[in-house]
Amino acid sequence: RKEVEQDPGPFNVPEGATVAFNCTYSNSASQSFFWYRQDCRKEPKLLMSVYSSGNEDGRFTAQLNRASQYISLLIRDSKLSDSATYLCVGLSGGYNKLIFGAGTRLAVHP
Amino acid sequence: SQTIHQWPATLVQPVGSPLSLECTVEGTSNPNLYWYRQAAGRGLQLLFYSVGIGQISSEVPQNLSASRPQDRQFILSSKKLLLSDSGFYLCAWSVMFRRRESPQQFFGPGTRLTVL
Repeated sequence: RKEVEQDPGPFNVPEGATVAFNCTYSNSASQSFFWYRQDCRKEPKLLMSVYSSGNEDGRFTAQLNRASQYISLLIRDSKLSDSATYLCVGLSGGYNKLIFGAGTRLAVHP
Repeated sequence: SQTIHQWPATLVQPVGSPLSLECTVEGTSNPNLYWYRQAAGRGLQLLFYSVGIGQISSEVPQNLSASRPQDRQFILSSKKLLLSDSGFYLCAWSVMFRRRESPQQFFGPGTRLTVL
């Protein structure tokens, strides 16, 4: 079983839609979690950290359920500029070793 | 502010040729450094990480090696490239903050390698 698993998508949604991405993880990637965004042929960039209590940053909400080993990202009022691949990432062990999911591709259309 | 550089941006190499990719970081001291590879349509795979000069840890057996000759320089090498070495190579850094590690990694722009 992969340490971090995501639905690869693609998710094709109209502008203004609400879209949710899910991610599951194994015990080895279980210290901290993040969502990174990667635009086509670009490097990944941190979107937000994921806290156990859930956290929100503007239109983005992240949730962590440790009992179910499940992480989610909710995007409200989708914009064209949200089109990208969203990477679910776990922090494993020391030295900031990140475990990346394969990513979920989002395409927002007019 | 901190910046991370990688070169070259793109590279096309024949099978069996050597490889050297360079990564340098500015604006920070004693960073943790990482090399990742992303195959087409796949997630990022951690190849190597380094917590200091001359200290290299390998995550997966492969045809590649890494070196850290200076504090802010990280080099990825191969003596003979394979077709399967094609991919997007990303260097990243993170910093220790006091006694707690800052979890965020900052990525360089990447090198897109095609082995023919």
